[in-house]
Amino acid sequence: DIVMTQSPLSLSVTPGEPASISCRSSQSLLQSHGYNSVDWYLQKPGQSPQLLIYLGSNRAPGVPDRFSGSGSGTDFTLKISRVEAEDVGLYYCMQALQTPPWTFGQGTKVEIK
Amino acid sequence: EVQLVESGGGWVQPGGSLRLSCAASGFTFSHYEMNWVRQVPGKGLEWLSYISNSGGTIYYADSVKGRFTISRDNAKNSLFLQMNSLRAEDTAVYYCARSSSTYYDISTGYYVPNFRLDFWGQGALVTVSS
Repeated sequence: DIVMTQSPLSLSVTPGEPASISCRSSQSLLQSHGYNSVDWYLQKPGQSPQLLIYLGSNRAPGVPDRFSGSGSGTDFTLKISRVEAEDVGLYYCMQALQTPPWTFGQGTKVEIK
Repeated sequence: EVQLVESGGGWVQPGGSLRLSCAASGFTFSHYEMNWVRQVPGKGLEWLSYISNSGGTIYYADSVKGRFTISRDNAKNSLFLQMNSLRAEDTAVYYCARSSSTYYDISTGYYVPNFRLDFWGQGALVTVSS
């Protein structure tokens, strides 16, 4: 199975400041034509997860443009350009290749200072 | 508005069985793949099972293979998870989640394989304890 490793596991950010979460996969998630099969999800406190980013860098509908995804192969990054109070929660990366099992990272907890 | 509502959670003794249901609305259920994902309280997410839109393709995580059975009733817009031989380590919140496996990139004209869980239910708590 593909192992997804996130860092850091927790992050405390001042509102308005940027934040960055790293995700590393144990196998390459790069597909043909340059697409990377990694998704990012946010689970706000007391809520179910929601899709933020798919194919490494595509924002899901309704996701603010302060969220961006980048990376290729085995190293990926989720960036929040200016953190807002509503961005607190647990962030997960997930390998999104066609073949299951689809596996998640351990999660990164983002808090506001 | 897309809605997924799980039901059927509760307390069960080790070795017992439970059946979860997920009622879907706000989209054409028969067009979409569906999944079950669980989260042990205070822990991360674990994908458990997938079923294609027709029900013809099914996958399971090794942790539940042989014990859990996923199914769907497209006429009733419902997804199910039959859980047998439950163990203490199955205690978790169980989410149903809609998925898509293909993305059409309009800029290139490519249909790109990409599994993503684009809508999730609110979850159902299952507690396995004696």
